[in-house]
Amino acid sequence: EVQLVESGGGLVQPGGSLRLSCAASGFTFSSSEMNWVRQAPGKGLEWVSYISSSGSTKYYADSVKGRFTITRDNAKNSLYLQMNSLRAEDTAVYYCASQHDLAMDVWGQGTTVTVSS
Amino acid sequence: QSVLTQPPSASGTPGQRVTISCYGSSSNIGNNPVNWYQQLPGTAPKLLIYSNNQRPPGVPDRFSGSKSGASASLAISGLQSEDEAEYYCAAWGDSLNGYYYVFGTGTKVTVL
Repeated sequence: EVQLVESGGGLVQPGGSLRLSCAASGFTFSSSEMNWVRQAPGKGLEWVSYISSSGSTKYYADSVKGRFTITRDNAKNSLYLQMNSLRAEDTAVYYCASQHDLAMDVWGQGTTVTVSS
Repeated sequence: QSVLTQPPSASGTPGQRVTISCYGSSSNIGNNPVNWYQQLPGTAPKLLIYSNNQRPPGVPDRFSGSKSGASASLAISGLQSEDEAEYYCAAWGDSLNGYYYVFGTGTKVTVL
């Protein structure tokens, strides 16, 4: 079964850091481009970051550029998002999603990040 | 990084046809294929349409997509109660700052 499982969410104070993980199974992770997408409470979807299959190419949304870093470990079938200098507006459910044909075809169930003092 | 514009809501009775529009620009929809996602309440998004008009396996042919210039649309024919959900269009775009993926503002479909 094709599956993505996120973890690492939680409550963090403003200015703090958090590292999200996404474990992939059931497909060839090392050949798949990957993304992080978030959804603030009651709001729409917002793309956060992209990483190529090899990890050599990365893109970020302007709202997180310089604060978030996307990485992957193909040997461990895992995707990561290091989030630093967190702000209240980063509060959201964070989803990882695989990408094929320029579309996000498999999504995880999401992990919740709450930034609050 | 811009946003794709969708109507906030759409509705119809069972069996009716509902259409959702999505407006972008030459830097995103105008030069890249459009995707559509369905998000049922309390669940993760699901890919509904990719490459403007292609359905992934398992998606009913009641769902269809089209694109013209910098705009796109999703049609749901034979509306069913289980179609009540939020729908988002999306596309890759490029700017001076690099590539980005942009979602639409979302359309809540209600089955009356």
